[in-house]
Amino acid sequence: GQQLNQSPQSMFIQEGEDVSMNCTSSSIFNTWLWYKQDPGEGPVLLIALYKAGELTSNGRLTAQFGITRKDSFLNISASIPSDVGIYFCAGRKETSGSRLTFGEGTQLTVNP
Amino acid sequence: DVKVTQSSRYLVKRTGEKVFLECVQDMDHENMFWYRQDPGLGLRLIYFSYDVKMKEKGDIPEGYSVSREKKERFSLILESASTNQTSMYLCASSLMNYGYTFGSGTRLTVV
Repeated sequence: GQQLNQSPQSMFIQEGEDVSMNCTSSSIFNTWLWYKQDPGEGPVLLIALYKAGELTSNGRLTAQFGITRKDSFLNISASIPSDVGIYFCAGRKETSGSRLTFGEGTQLTVNP
Repeated sequence: DVKVTQSSRYLVKRTGEKVFLECVQDMDHENMFWYRQDPGLGLRLIYFSYDVKMKEKGDIPEGYSVSREKKERFSLILESASTNQTSMYLCASSLMNYGYTFGSGTRLTVV
């Protein structure tokens, strides 16, 4: 079952605003991933993090692997209408092989 | 780029029918996965496979089975479709311990 707490569940923001969302767990993960799902499509990988403390950027997106290995956050700067979608965090534990655990998603709405 | 192709984007089936959802990946990935996605419930793992002819149950395998006869193809089977299996089904593949690549999804409606 789900072991990642992702928040917020939904966000309504104005174009140009910055966005922050995070995932926390009581378990330790050795990989954190962030995906975006456009309406009617499958999730697409945005950022992958493999080391505690790692901070990685992909354009306007920045994600960090928490020092405790139990959390991760994603920031989106200067949001635009095409940022609309569902953002999922996912983590991999050392003991779970290739299997990922997913958060429940953050639904982002950007008003022009 | 890795491509994961799901055979149908939309499917409508009748209660009691046997339904096959097909997924093909073109990058020689060992791992393949089937998820269903429902509003408010996130992504739930149905079955996964680490190799040809190998399968493992996920979190919600009841009412489903899978087949992996070839490395590139992973099929999800609804033995006797029911209305509570109306959902978005997502297939994914991965290489070793890297991130998943998802297909575009199949939206199944059982009437």
